[in-house]
Amino acid sequence: DMKVTQMPRYLIKRMGENVLLECGQDMSHETMYWYRQDPGLGLQLIYISYDVDSNSEGDIPKGYRVSRKKREHFSLILDSAKTNQTSVYFCASSLSGGNYAEQFFGPGTRLTVL
Amino acid sequence: QQNVQQSPESLIVPEGARTSLNCTFSDSASQYFWWYRQHSGKAPKALMSIFSNGEKEEGRFTIHLNKASLHFSLHIRDSQPSDSALYLCAVGGGSALGRLHFGAGTQLIVIP
Repeated sequence: DMKVTQMPRYLIKRMGENVLLECGQDMSHETMYWYRQDPGLGLQLIYISYDVDSNSEGDIPKGYRVSRKKREHFSLILDSAKTNQTSVYFCASSLSGGNYAEQFFGPGTRLTVL
Repeated sequence: QQNVQQSPESLIVPEGARTSLNCTFSDSASQYFWWYRQHSGKAPKALMSIFSNGEKEEGRFTIHLNKASLHFSLHIRDSQPSDSALYLCAVGGGSALGRLHFGAGTQLIVIP
């Protein structure tokens, strides 16, 4: 069963705390993505990973960093979270980095930073 | 930088209606065009894609692409309440290596 998983699903943190969002996929997909979704703004790309230790910034990387040490796992880290990082975060994966490949999304993590 | 715009922002239609959603893009070198659907509280899921000018039909859904006009659209025939969702268009290729640019979405509500 092809699946992208995200943990945790809901998270409340205080401003200045560190945040770790985790994503896994069981499809051996090369490319993985982190997006955030805010009302009226669609999906904004934070980082893209083409394979293990091959990561590139997306449109809004400031305040975020990522780690990919295994093909099936991709982590998003917020060092010293800010209130404007309150959002829904989606992880996705695709067979390759080509835009012709469908992106499969995880269920999302709703992060609230107080 | 790719600019993807969707219209309308929201749409309410009666069950059985034909619905049209629009998407414009700015990079004329774009090559890949997608529609994703996101039900409330759920993950986005790919609905359809088109990679060359023209029309593509899958069941009640049809995509039209006109690259010269920098425009593509999604048409839903015989809209159903289960079609109620946020529809996101996405554009890839051109200068955007390995990534898609998403529009802000059209919220569709189908009234029974």
